[in-house]
Amino acid sequence: AQSVTQLGSHVSVSEGALVLLRCNYSSSVPPYLFWYVQYPNQGLQLLLKYTSAATLVKGINGFEAEFKKSETSFHLTKPSAHMSDAAEYFCAVSDRKGNEKLTFGTGTRLTIIP
Amino acid sequence: ETGVTQSPTHLIKTRGQQVTLRCSSQSGHNTVSWYQQALGQGPQFIFQYYREEENGRGNFPPRFSGLQFPNYSSELNVNALELDDSALYLCASSLPSGSETQYFGPGTRLLVL
Repeated sequence: AQSVTQLGSHVSVSEGALVLLRCNYSSSVPPYLFWYVQYPNQGLQLLLKYTSAATLVKGINGFEAEFKKSETSFHLTKPSAHMSDAAEYFCAVSDRKGNEKLTFGTGTRLTIIP
Repeated sequence: ETGVTQSPTHLIKTRGQQVTLRCSSQSGHNTVSWYQQALGQGPQFIFQYYREEENGRGNFPPRFSGLQFPNYSSELNVNALELDDSALYLCASSLPSGSETQYFGPGTRLLVL
C-alpha cells in the first residue's frame, strides 16, 4: 500500500527566506507523486507532479520538488517565500495513473513571518 | 480555474439523517473521485466513478454511496449520519483514464450534530 509522511505539521519561515516542506513516500511500485496547496475554506490546487519523467519538477508559483528514489523523498522548495504562500500543503502518492486513488499526507501548515 | 463545482457549500444535519452532496465535473471529465477531509487531516479516498460505474473504493462503509450521471455530474450519499462524518467532502474530476491530474472542487463542509 502507498503512503506518504509529511515531516512537520507546522512550518514558519520569514518572508524572502527559503521554503522547505518535507515529504517521504512508501510504495512497492514506481510512484506518481503530487503536491497540492489548500487555502483557507477552499479546495485543493495542484502545485506540481512527478510522473517518472525528470526528477526535478517545476510547478506553479515558483515551487519545485525533487524526486529522490534513494531517499524515498519528494520535498517541496521555494527559494523566496511570499506572504501569499501561507496555506496548507499536502503531499500525495498514486501507484498508477494520477486519476486513480490518491493517498495524502496529513499536511503541513506554512506560516510566513513578515 | 478548474471548473469543478460542488453544492451546497455548507450543510448541517443531525445524527441518523441522510445527506446528498453534489458535484459538477469539468466537461469531458468522465472520472470523478470523492474524498473526505476531517479537520486537521489530509483527504481520505472514499470512491471513484468512471463512466457511471464505481471504479475503486476506500475504507468506507456501505452507507457511503455514489452516483455518476451522463452529464458529468455526480452525487455522494451518506445514510445514517454519525458525528464522525463531520468533515469537508471534496470531489475531484479528471480526463479519461490515463490522465495524471485530478481537479478538485471547493468542497462541501458537513456538520453532524
